[in-house]
Amino acid sequence: QKEVEQNSGPLSVPEGAIASLNCTYSDRGSQSFFWYRQYSGKSPELIMFIYSNGDKEDGRFTAQLNKASQYVSLLIRDSQPSDSATYLCAVIWISNFGNEKLTFGTGTRLTIIP
Amino acid sequence: ETGVTQTPRHLVMGMTNKKSLKCEQHLGHNAMYWYKQSAKKPLELMFVYSLEERVENNSVPSRFSPECPNSSHLFLHLHTLQPEDSALYLCASSQVSGGYNEQFFGPGTRLTVL
Repeated sequence: QKEVEQNSGPLSVPEGAIASLNCTYSDRGSQSFFWYRQYSGKSPELIMFIYSNGDKEDGRFTAQLNKASQYVSLLIRDSQPSDSATYLCAVIWISNFGNEKLTFGTGTRLTIIP
Repeated sequence: ETGVTQTPRHLVMGMTNKKSLKCEQHLGHNAMYWYKQSAKKPLELMFVYSLEERVENNSVPSRFSPECPNSSHLFLHLHTLQPEDSALYLCASSQVSGGYNEQFFGPGTRLTVL
């Protein structure tokens, strides 16, 4: 069973600071990595994806991928109260039958303190 | 309607009832998914349909029975459920293509089994 591990939190960050969310995965052959945001009572929505080692920036969000160490992280700069949510890490890997499988972590609950 | 819709949004049923959850996607995607989300657990993939053929079921109990009559509609038929089946059931769709698999989620059905 492929695993995706996240610290469940809660992670509390002051407004305006940088929030750092981490995720590790077990399958070295994993290809694609996603960060979903889920507000309480809502369904997950994709905010970032990354394929290649290094950093990928999109507005206040930066995804970082290190395949050698098998971790992916999400940085949120200038944190806002509206960033308070659960952040789900998801990893695509290929099954023995050649199917793409998307496995989610348990999510990290982030609270931005005004 | 746009995106992924699910009905009903809330469902309360007894252990002897039979009910069905419905999902419809308006995105022209070629794959649809059922997930179960319980408190403090990762999103659990239940079923995947790709090009209307079921390709994965992850050993889900037979009291859950999926049906995918066409690429836009997905059902989850429920019968003789247990209280531990109470959870949020999420439907998602995606256009699967070479490692990129952004899944768009519906709002979910909150199921309570008495």
